[in-house]
Amino acid sequence: EIVLTQSPDSQSVTPKERVTITCRASQSIGRSLHWYQQKPGQSPKLLIKYASQSFSGVPSRFSGRGSGTDFTLTINSLEVEDAATYYCHQSDSFPRTFGQGTTVEIK
Amino acid sequence: QVQLVESGGGVVQPGRSLRLSCQASGFNFRTYAMHWVRQIPGKGLEWVAVITFDGDNKFYADSVKGRFIISRDNSNNTLFLQLNSLKTDDTALYYCARDLGGADHWGQGTLVTVSA
Repeated sequence: EIVLTQSPDSQSVTPKERVTITCRASQSIGRSLHWYQQKPGQSPKLLIKYASQSFSGVPSRFSGRGSGTDFTLTINSLEVEDAATYYCHQSDSFPRTFGQGTTVEIK
Repeated sequence: QVQLVESGGGVVQPGRSLRLSCQASGFNFRTYAMHWVRQIPGKGLEWVAVITFDGDNKFYADSVKGRFIISRDNSNNTLFLQLNSLKTDDTALYYCARDLGGADHWGQGTLVTVSA
């Protein structure tokens, strides 16, 4: 099973700051890594697919990069509405797995 | 637009069974693989199972293998998850999601509570 480890577990950030979340895979997964945003009481929403492809309708301040075992999600100029938990997810092999989540709070 | 609506959750005793459904609309259901993902309230996401577009291939998380069965009815645009031999650890909100490599659309979830 591929283990995805996110860091940090949580982050408290001022609006307009840049946020970077990392996701490390226990073995190489190519670019089969996706990022989701989940706000309290809501279902997860896809932000980035295949490491760096923005999903339709996602604001341009969200971007992803990486390949192999190391991936990052960046939120440029954080907005208040970005307060949420972010998850990475691999589709390289079964069983599919998720990272443990990173909670972004607004200062 | 794409809609996924789960149903079938409820309170059930350990060892009993439950069948979840996910009604899909707004897209060509029969051409997409579909997932079940669960989430203990307040905790992270756990992938449960996936079924290919034609139902020919199914994969499961180790935690549910041999107890849960994923299936689909492409004629009625419905995805199912049969939960057998339920344990208290299976208590969670169960989401269905459409596969696009990642999961690009999710339902609102149906809550399963396993309690004596």
